[in-house]
Amino acid sequence: EAQVTQNPRYLITVTGKKLTVTCSQNMNHEYMSWYRQDPGLGLRQIYYSMNVEVTDKGDVPEGYKVSRKEKRNFPLILESPSPNQTSLYFCASSYGLADPFSQFFGPGTRLTVL
Amino acid sequence: LAKTTQPISMDSYEGQEVNITCSHNNIATNDYITWYQQFPSQGPRFIIQGYKTKVTNEVASLFIPADRKSSTLSLPRVSLSDTAVYYCLVGDMNSGGYQKVTFGTGTKLQVIP
Repeated sequence: EAQVTQNPRYLITVTGKKLTVTCSQNMNHEYMSWYRQDPGLGLRQIYYSMNVEVTDKGDVPEGYKVSRKEKRNFPLILESPSPNQTSLYFCASSYGLADPFSQFFGPGTRLTVL
Repeated sequence: LAKTTQPISMDSYEGQEVNITCSHNNIATNDYITWYQQFPSQGPRFIIQGYKTKVTNEVASLFIPADRKSSTLSLPRVSLSDTAVYYCLVGDMNSGGYQKVTFGTGTKLQVIP
């Protein structure tokens, strides 16, 4: 089954404790992306990746890091989480560089930073 | 990246056709128009995409006038399960992937029994 998986689905942590949210897709997609969703602000793109070792900033990259060492994986790293990073996070991937807009989304990770 | 404007919310009765219009006055030549649907606490789901005129699939139709400054997503005979947020996106399909994707705040459709 074609899918984008994220782990963990729910996470409660404390300020400053480094964490990683994993994202994996089994569709051999080139384009992958991370979004955060907050009430009243909609979905905002954090980072995206066009291929292995190629990443770029989205609209809200501050406080986040990403890496793309393998085509299927695109982890989101919060080196020192803060309460304003409490949010619902989505990972997504799309078929190719010619169409970054036809994206498959993961189920989401709900993060709470205390 | 072209900015989009959509109504914040809409209500419709079951069985009616719903049309959601998105304005994108600054759309560029290489930009395509894409629509997504999102249910609460789920990731968005791709619905339909087009460049000009009309596109139809099993879920919806997308109408794009000649000047492409707006587009209309049409949902035929909506049911309660169509209650969701609908997003219009506009972006360059020829960017080679070097393209931010901006969703905006979308249109919240409430279907009433």
